[in-house]
Amino acid sequence: GQNIDQPTEMTATEGAIVQINCTYQTSGFNGLFWYQQHAGEAPTFLSYNVLDGLEEKGRFSSFLSRSKGYSYLLLKELQMKDSASYLCAVRDSNYQLIWGAGTKLIIKP
Amino acid sequence: TAGITQAPTSQILAAGRSMTLRCTQDMRHNAMYWYRQDLGLGLRLIHYSNTAGTTGKGEVPDGYSVSRANTDDFPLTLASAVPSQTSVYFCASSDRAEDTQYFGPGTRLTVL
Repeated sequence: GQNIDQPTEMTATEGAIVQINCTYQTSGFNGLFWYQQHAGEAPTFLSYNVLDGLEEKGRFSSFLSRSKGYSYLLLKELQMKDSASYLCAVRDSNYQLIWGAGTKLIIKP
Repeated sequence: TAGITQAPTSQILAAGRSMTLRCTQDMRHNAMYWYRQDLGLGLRLIHYSNTAGTTGKGEVPDGYSVSRANTDDFPLTLASAVPSQTSVYFCASSDRAEDTQYFGPGTRLTVL
């Protein structure tokens, strides 16, 4: 079967750094996505990795290791507005997205 | 730009009734998708359409139907609603199946 695992919830302090991990087992791999979802809102696209390595975009970075079936999202200089759920999704061999249940990130002052 | 719109925003529906959730995009994207999101679970694909005139079944298609008569619209119909269809429904679109998906604001449906 196909499976995406990520922690259910994490807590971090404003101004700090947090790393959200995602491991996956899927039928094929055609890229990994990270989305942000604020409570009651739609998911919004954050990052995309298809090759191994680190992709940096401002305060957010995403890393991929295809051999390990592993990715992480790194958020730096945390702000209160970063309180949200972070969704990891893998595009499988049929080009369909398989989604993790999401990690709820709580930022404390 | 509107992007993707969904209607209604929320709805309470009696079991056994039918309902159509509407989704419209103005980005001229070829591919469109319907997902449901339930607490503790990842988004699950219900149906998709890679281009106007074609549709396909996702992970959880039972009890739902779709049509894609044109590029912009992708309605989702529940023929006879059941309480297990209580969920938040998101429509999404992408330029092609291999591109990034963009989401509408969602429809919160409660079936009693």
